[in-house]
Amino acid sequence: DAKTTQPNSMESNEEEPVHLPCNHSTISGTDYIHWYRQLPSQGPEYVIHGLTSNVNNRMASLAIAEDRKSSTLILHRATLRDAAVYYCILRSRSEKLVFGKGTKLTVNP
Amino acid sequence: ETGVTQSPTHLIKTRGQQVTLRCSSQSGHNTVSWYQQALGQGPQFIFQYYREEENGRGNFPPRFSGLQFPNYSSELNVNALELDDSALYLCASSLGAEETQYFGPGTRLLVL
Repeated sequence: DAKTTQPNSMESNEEEPVHLPCNHSTISGTDYIHWYRQLPSQGPEYVIHGLTSNVNNRMASLAIAEDRKSSTLILHRATLRDAAVYYCILRSRSEKLVFGKGTKLTVNP
Repeated sequence: ETGVTQSPTHLIKTRGQQVTLRCSSQSGHNTVSWYQQALGQGPQFIFQYYREEENGRGNFPPRFSGLQFPNYSSELNVNALELDDSALYLCASSLGAEETQYFGPGTRLLVL
């Protein structure tokens, strides 16, 4: 079973920042926090991952709480192309990806 | 660099039949993982192949089987198809068993 809790859906306006929350109160010391997204009619796409420190890449930023029991994926300026289901996944090095239902993000023009 | 490709894109079968789905991994990747995604759900892990050997299996019956070839492409075989096998089947390749996975577009299977 998925070890994370995410809202079922969120809405945003185009060109505004989006903060997608994820709770993972049972996270272990070896769990990495991974984010994937799935655009309509496509396979999941890797977004970002981190262990303890905040991470940035060209797609997004990942903010990890100090106690690691929650994290937030930040899209700095949402575009229509960012409309997708976003999955937050905990994964230790030797484990396989376990997807939950994710958060469906709607971006309004 | 070619990404992960899957064939066919769509498939219709009838209950009891057998099906083979194919996946070509990204160049340089030696690991392929297969997932089943029912409508409205997240992908569920079926199994993983690393350097031609099965390297982990999810909660799927033995009629789901797989193969990985020396060029690291892979097949998913499903025997005795059931109506509940209707789903999107995704494969993902990675540089190693524990590395970031890159997904293909999937094969949509409908069992009638």
